[in-house]
Amino acid sequence: DGGITQSPKYLFRKEGQNVTLSCEQNLNHDAMYWYRQDPGQGLRLIYYSQIVNDFQKGDIAEGYSVSREKKESFPLTVTSAQKNPTAFYLCASSPQTQSGDRYNEQFFGPGTRLTVL
Amino acid sequence: AQSVAQPEDQVNVAEGNPLTVKCTYSVSGNPYLFWYVQYPNRGLQFLLKYITGDNLVKGSYGFEAEFNKSQTSFHLKKPSALVSDSALYFCAVRDGTGGSYIPTFGRGTSLIVHP
Repeated sequence: DGGITQSPKYLFRKEGQNVTLSCEQNLNHDAMYWYRQDPGQGLRLIYYSQIVNDFQKGDIAEGYSVSREKKESFPLTVTSAQKNPTAFYLCASSPQTQSGDRYNEQFFGPGTRLTVL
Repeated sequence: AQSVAQPEDQVNVAEGNPLTVKCTYSVSGNPYLFWYVQYPNRGLQFLLKYITGDNLVKGSYGFEAEFNKSQTSFHLKKPSALVSDSALYFCAVRDGTGGSYIPTFGRGTSLIVHP
């Protein structure tokens, strides 16, 4: 059963603490993405990666970090520098990123809800 | 730069009636357009897309969307709404010609279908 998994489903963070959200895919997709979703604001891109060992900042990267050591994994760390991290976090993937493959839709994981205590 | 507008935060419709969720877009090159649905506390699910060809695109769960190049719109439609269609709907656009491959999403439209 192919797809994207995210863990944990719910996560609680104390002030000043770093937390890492997991994202794994077995779709053999090259591109992976992290989005933050807040009520009424749609999806905002945090980081994306086109290929292993390479990633780029999105629109709201401050306070977040990522790694892409394996094709199937793209973990997101929410650092203590992110002052308002309470949100719903979505991971997504899509096939190759060459211009000829832009017609491909994204596949989304089930999300992680992060709450700051 | 590319952008997507979903002018309605919320759409209310009675079960059995037709529904329309509106989307307009702006992109430099050829538009690749997508609709996704999100149920509460879940990830987004792909519904349908327009790449080229027939302006009327059919997708999952009886949904369809009409591409209108002159009006730069890609409205989502369904002939007869179900209560189970109640969810958050997102429109997205990608430039099919060049530039960034990152899609741009609208802010989402909450569809509420009343019994």
